[in-house]
Amino acid sequence: AQSVAQPEDQVNVAEGNPLTVKCTYSVSGNPYLFWYVQYPNRGLQFLLKYITGDNLVKGSYGFEAEFNKSQTSFHLKKPSALVSDSALYFCAVRDLRGNFNKFYFGSGTKLNVKP
Amino acid sequence: NAGVTQTPKFQVLKTGQSMTLQCAQDMNHEYMSWYRQDPGMGLRLIHYSVGAGITDQGEVPNGYNVSRSTTEDFPLRLLSAAPSQTSVYFCASSYRGTLTDTQYFGPGTRLTVL
Repeated sequence: AQSVAQPEDQVNVAEGNPLTVKCTYSVSGNPYLFWYVQYPNRGLQFLLKYITGDNLVKGSYGFEAEFNKSQTSFHLKKPSALVSDSALYFCAVRDLRGNFNKFYFGSGTKLNVKP
Repeated sequence: NAGVTQTPKFQVLKTGQSMTLQCAQDMNHEYMSWYRQDPGMGLRLIHYSVGAGITDQGEVPNGYNVSRSTTEDFPLRLLSAAPSQTSVYFCASSYRGTLTDTQYFGPGTRLTVL
C-alpha cells in the first residue's frame, strides 16, 4: 500500500544550523515525491518535487531534498536554518488510486527554529 | 495572478445547515480538487474535477457535492452539515492532474459544525 511516514512530530534547531526533516515512502510504482510547507492559518505551499533524474532536488527558499531509492527516503534539508522557516512541513507521494491520482500526505513535522 | 482563492476563511454552522465553500483559480488549470485536513490524518481527497463539466468522487465524498460549470470555479457544497465535518478544507488545482503535476493549494476554510 502506498504511504508516507514522517517519523518526527517536531524538529528543533538553532538558527544558522543545518536542518533535516525526514520522510520515508512506500509506493508500488515510480515514486513522485513532493514537499509542502504550511505556515499558521495558511494553505500548503509547494517547496519542491522529485520526478526523475538527479537525486538532489533544489527548491524554494533554499531548501533541497535528497532522494534515496535504496532507503526509500526523501529527506528535506537546508544548510542554514532561519527563524522564518518555522512551520509545518508535509511530505507527499503521488500515486494512482483507482481512477484518480491521489496525494498521500505524511502526518507533518513541525519545525521550530530558535534564535 | 491570485492563484487559488477560497471563501470564506472561517465558518460556523449548526448541525443540519447547508452551505457552499467557494474555490476559484486564475491559472487556467484543468484539474481541481477538494481536501479536508484533520489532525493526525493528513489531507484526504473529497472530490476532484479533470475539467469543466467533469467531476468525480475521492476517498471521502459522503455529505459533499461539487460541480464544475467553468474552468475557474469549483464550489463544494455541504448538504446537511454534521459535527464530523468540522475540519479545515483546502482547494487545490494543477495544470493537468497527472502524477507529476504540482498542485497549488488555496489558503483554506476552517469550518466548525456545532
